[in-house]
Amino acid sequence: KAGVTQTPRYLIKTRGQQVTLSCSPISGHRSVSWYQQTPGQGLQFLFEYFSETQRNKGNFPGRFSGRQFSNSRSEMNVSTLELGDSALYLCASTLGRIVDTQYFGPGTRLTVL
Amino acid sequence: TQLLEQSPQFLSIQEGENLTVYCNSSSVFSSLQWYRQEPGEGPVLLVTVVTGGEVKKLKRLTFQFGDARKDSSLHITAAQPGDTGLYLCAGVGSGGSNYKLTFGKGTLLTVNP
Repeated sequence: KAGVTQTPRYLIKTRGQQVTLSCSPISGHRSVSWYQQTPGQGLQFLFEYFSETQRNKGNFPGRFSGRQFSNSRSEMNVSTLELGDSALYLCASTLGRIVDTQYFGPGTRLTVL
Repeated sequence: TQLLEQSPQFLSIQEGENLTVYCNSSSVFSSLQWYRQEPGEGPVLLVTVVTGGEVKKLKRLTFQFGDARKDSSLHITAAQPGDTGLYLCAGVGSGGSNYKLTFGKGTLLTVNP
């Protein structure tokens, strides 16, 4: 079974631009969570989607948003990029039950210049 | 806000040595997970410990959950170069929801041949 895939793997943007990242979960998984990983803050939870609805949200500004499609694929969008948004963005998928194991994708490395 | 402190932050050892990584919090978690992340990849789940005082073994890796479910440790016996990677602990909140994990900042382990 194919794992979690994320596209693109690398992205370079400039301040003020916006960016959209994509995540395709493991087939059959209905929950997708997004995390931001930086050397200073580590892995921080952004939000989680289940059946096209945001089910949980972390403490990030409104510039960070997401959505999930009927096929469980998810996108996250960051508007008005700041230098501090440079990070590895990881998504993880599960079947959707609260005790299910999360399977992470390889991440999208975003660099904001 | 639940926080997890990992120590040490960096660890460089020779092949064959033993090591212990610690994960501490002032908060109680319903369970705690350990992940390993290699360069260019997302974290991969190694183990979940659920019961206070629980000890789990995975080949040369031994994981322990504190009696009060606030702390955990990972002990590696006779480390090998293949053990090199970023080790992350993650706490599952009191609601037991795996889709919102609180991560420590990680321990970067380098095992030199």
